[in-house]
Amino acid sequence: EAGVVQSPRYKIIEKKQPVAFWCNPISGHNTLYWYLQNLGQGPELLIRYENEEAVDDSQLPKDRFSAERLKGVDSTLKIQPAELGDSAVYLCASSLAGEETQYFGPGTRLLVL
Amino acid sequence: GENVEQHPSTLSVQEGDSAVIKCTYSDSASNYFPWYKQELGKGPQLIIDIRSNVGEKKDQRIAVTLNKTAKHFSLHITETQPEDSAVYFCAPGTDKLIFGTGTRLQVFP
Repeated sequence: EAGVVQSPRYKIIEKKQPVAFWCNPISGHNTLYWYLQNLGQGPELLIRYENEEAVDDSQLPKDRFSAERLKGVDSTLKIQPAELGDSAVYLCASSLAGEETQYFGPGTRLLVL
Repeated sequence: GENVEQHPSTLSVQEGDSAVIKCTYSDSASNYFPWYKQELGKGPQLIIDIRSNVGEKKDQRIAVTLNKTAKHFSLHITETQPEDSAVYFCAPGTDKLIFGTGTRLQVFP
């Protein structure tokens, strides 16, 4: 069974440019998470979806970050405009509805110059 | 909000020795206590978890013990191997996981 798929794996952009990350969760997983992981730290939740509904976006910086999961499967996380401090790894995870175990993708490593 | 701390931040052991990592948390409502392993360039992977109605759980060389009264739980790895080298995160929570700052484990052959 395929795991969580993320693309791209790496992205280098200049500050003020837009960037988007894509995630395909494990088949059948209703819950999808986006995390931010700074160097040397643990993942921090940005947003959690139950199907297509964002049920927790309290930590998402809404002035520049947006996310969508239109059909309740794939999801896209966007930053516009990117800042130097956004350089980090962006992780996507998924889980079955009502279960705590989260399965993580490999992440997208973003470098903003 | 939840405060999660891990100790030690780095740990070096000889192959075959045991390793113990402790996680303390502040939210008494936490009822799920997982440990994740993250290798370089990969996402975290669940290695073991425990729920608040159980005090200890073991899976081959890995065990987790929970002291809910004291609000801490620990990861125990016995007979360590070089492939155990990674960063380990605790992530206590309920429906939302709060990750610790991680412990870098190095196992020397």
